[in-house]
Amino acid sequence: EPEVTQTPSHQVTQMGQEVILRCVPISNHLYFYWYRQILGQKVEFLVSFYNNEISEKSEIFDDQFSVERPDGSNFTLKIRSTKLEDSAMYFCASSETSGRVYNEQFFGPGTRLTVL
Amino acid sequence: AQKITQTQPGMFVQEKEAVTLDCTYDTSDQSYGLFWYKQPSSGEMIFLIYQGSYDEQNATEGRYSLNFQKARKSANLVISASQLGDSAMYFCAMRAASGGSYIPTFGRGTSLIVHP
Repeated sequence: EPEVTQTPSHQVTQMGQEVILRCVPISNHLYFYWYRQILGQKVEFLVSFYNNEISEKSEIFDDQFSVERPDGSNFTLKIRSTKLEDSAMYFCASSETSGRVYNEQFFGPGTRLTVL
Repeated sequence: AQKITQTQPGMFVQEKEAVTLDCTYDTSDQSYGLFWYKQPSSGEMIFLIYQGSYDEQNATEGRYSLNFQKARKSANLVISASQLGDSAMYFCAMRAASGGSYIPTFGRGTSLIVHP
């Protein structure tokens, strides 16, 4: 069964460093998403991406964040200068369609980012 | 603004019993979708079930059903015949067309523990 994969599973970095979180969405999916979940809290939407551009982004997704689809398979989230409060689980998701209200998004296993 | 409320931080159920996880929502939009996700201790997010605001029938997927009460703005998840593998965090989420934005909103989750 096709699945979304994410690497690394755990990333530890120093405050102020740049990190790149990588995701490989399901191959025939066209819509990609990043979410984050601070430990013990709810999942928060960061950004959606389609046709090589951002479709929507939340208030969390400020200038420190960027996304890219560098090739036909990878989808990356870059945090330019990490802060302590960026420590969280980051989930990538993909969907075949963007049915506005309904679209089944398939989530990856997540990358746990720890900023020291 | 959209809001999802899950008032039960933790629930316990005996194996093979049914359990209801509560979710109430708030939106001024007429068109919206409600989702439930399961997050086991391994961390991944697993889509369980979807209910559209215009769906007249309650959604069902195997042992999962959604008790949708539109007037009360509730979308409770019912798990029948609980299994030990159902122990996990459960998140209710909503997507609505809010000013052209379809950013999903998640609740804080309910931790379900199934006892043998």
